[in-house]
Amino acid sequence: SQTIHQWPATLVQPVGSPLSLECTVEGTSNPNLYWYRQAAGRGLQLLFYSVGIGQISSEVPQNLSASRPQDRQFILSSKKLLLSDSGFYLCAWSGTVGNLREQYFGPGTRLTVT
Amino acid sequence: SQQGEEDPQALSIQEGENATMNCSYKTSINNLQWYRQNSGRGLVHLILIRSNEREKHSGRLRVTLDTSKKSSSLLITASRAADTASYFCATDDFGNEKLTFGTGTRLTIIP
Repeated sequence: SQTIHQWPATLVQPVGSPLSLECTVEGTSNPNLYWYRQAAGRGLQLLFYSVGIGQISSEVPQNLSASRPQDRQFILSSKKLLLSDSGFYLCAWSGTVGNLREQYFGPGTRLTVT
Repeated sequence: SQQGEEDPQALSIQEGENATMNCSYKTSINNLQWYRQNSGRGLVHLILIRSNEREKHSGRLRVTLDTSKKSSSLLITASRAADTASYFCATDDFGNEKLTFGTGTRLTIIP
């Protein structure tokens, strides 16, 4: 069966510090991968998605970046965090066989920028 | 931009009652999906309805889709306290590799 991991679960970082959030998927190959951000009590904002190694599509211009160094690894980074980067970050994957594209989410990372 | 808009934004009902949430969208879709999110957790896929389907059931869940009105509804029958969560619709638009999520309905079941 497929599983998706995210870490860390919670993170408190000062403004201006760097960020690295990691997401890995097991039990599937060549998944589509997604990073979302969710503000408290709000909907999901798609930040980045990837259809393959090294292929990143950015949805929202900001000080975040994403990379996919391996087939089942997706990393969200920032060189200098802003207060507005606080939120709940979710990674998700979907299959690429067929065209139904259900997404399966990780447990999320709660980021607080102080 | 978010295509799906859920209605209502928040809903509180007594345990055992039925809960209905609605979702509207703007463009042609391949399918529409519903997800649940418990507080502080990731989203969980509940049910998918294809654009050529009008109704689908899964346990206590019933989803309808009206492509002429660009709307969908999620009905949860005989609600339980464990159904307390936020519910999101998401549309799979043709030609995209991504879903567009709505703003969500926060459902509270009162024991």
